[in-house]
Amino acid sequence: DQQVKQNSPSLSVQEGRISILNCDYTNSMFDYFLWYKKYPAEGPTFLISISSIKDKNEDGRFTVFLNKSAKHLSLHIVPSQPGDSAVYFCAARIGGSQGNLIFGKGTKLSVKP
Amino acid sequence: GAGVSQSPSNKVTEKGKDVELRCDPISGHTALYWYRQSLGQGLEFLIYFQGNSAPDKSGLPSDRFSAERTGGSVSTLTIQRTQQEDSAVYLCASSKDRDQPQHFGDGTRLSIL
Repeated sequence: DQQVKQNSPSLSVQEGRISILNCDYTNSMFDYFLWYKKYPAEGPTFLISISSIKDKNEDGRFTVFLNKSAKHLSLHIVPSQPGDSAVYFCAARIGGSQGNLIFGKGTKLSVKP
Repeated sequence: GAGVSQSPSNKVTEKGKDVELRCDPISGHTALYWYRQSLGQGLEFLIYFQGNSAPDKSGLPSDRFSAERTGGSVSTLTIQRTQQEDSAVYLCASSKDRDQPQHFGDGTRLSIL
């Protein structure tokens, strides 16, 4: 059973507009959430994280929102740039665990010029 | 370099052979993780090392998989008697501790013929 779900396998956005990537989770024990970006043939690159005690974290063009009651988080990228085209993975960590992450299957974002 | 280094970047081997994958974490990072990504899937946790503590092997899919971390730094993941379902990208990550983001290497793409 998937504990972290990214229901959209792909998303296409025009350059300059907002990209919204969504992630749902089922385990209420998750205490820390992260977004990673992955280019082909490279390892995932850390983008932004949020603790379960917060509902928003912002870093430049990237903002992550957490809605604990809905068990939902989203990543907003604004404005989107062609270089943002990549696969985005949502990941979560169980509180009190060793720290290993549970990943979604990813969403492929294409930003068109 | 300053990042996580993995070798080899690609490995093709015949079914039934043993393979050894290597990971050099970022200097000073005490936590080291192995994950694998099969085609079309998210990253799947395999094993976790933290300092000199006993590793968390809860993600290893079978007893054909083992890993060690010598001197608290370099780690090797060994797969014995490889099977075709072992074909995947094997990714290593390290972090300063469990509460810091994990930084990934570029992975080893393993293909079992």
